[in-house]
Amino acid sequence: EIVMTQSPATLSVSPGERATLSCRASQSVSSNLAWYQQIPGQAPRLLIYSASTRATGIPARFSGSGSGTEFTLTISSLQSEDFAVYYCQQYNNWPPWTFGQGTKVEIK
Amino acid sequence: EVQLVESGGGLVKSGGSLRLSCAASGFTFSTYTMNWVRQAPGKGLEWVSSISRSSSYIYFADSVKGRFTISRDNAKNSLYLQMNSLRAEDTAVYYCARDSGYDFPDVWGQGTTVTVSS
Repeated sequence: EIVMTQSPATLSVSPGERATLSCRASQSVSSNLAWYQQIPGQAPRLLIYSASTRATGIPARFSGSGSGTEFTLTISSLQSEDFAVYYCQQYNNWPPWTFGQGTKVEIK
Repeated sequence: EVQLVESGGGLVKSGGSLRLSCAASGFTFSTYTMNWVRQAPGKGLEWVSSISRSSSYIYFADSVKGRFTISRDNAKNSLYLQMNSLRAEDTAVYYCARDSGYDFPDVWGQGTTVTVSS
């Protein structure tokens, strides 16, 4: 089973600033990586797939990069609605899908 | 509008059973692999089970194998999760999720809460 590790666990950012979230896989997942946003009390929402492709309707301030074992989600200028928990997920070797433990982006 | 709506959650005693349902609308249900993903209180996401379009391929996480059963009724646009021998560690919000067709989930339901009391 591939283990996904996200860092940091919590990121404190001021509105308008850039946020950079990291995700590492225990072995190569090629570009088969997705990012999800979860606002408390809500279901996860797909942001990015194939490591860098934005899902339908996702604003351009969200971008993904990386391949192999190292991935990054960048939010270029944080808006109030972006404060949430973000999860990465690999789908290169499944079952099982495996998710990172999440990064909480909070208001500084 | 593409939509998934889960139901069937509730409070059950350890060792008990529960059947979750997921009603799909807004897309051709029979052409998508479907999944269950759960989230324990304050924890991350854990994939539980997958079922292919015609139910030919079924997979389970090791943590639920032998206790949970997944099924679907394409005529009713519905997905099910039969959960037996429930344990306290099965307490979670259970999400129904559609596979995009490229092996990642692209649409999620709002979830249904299962609480197993010991």
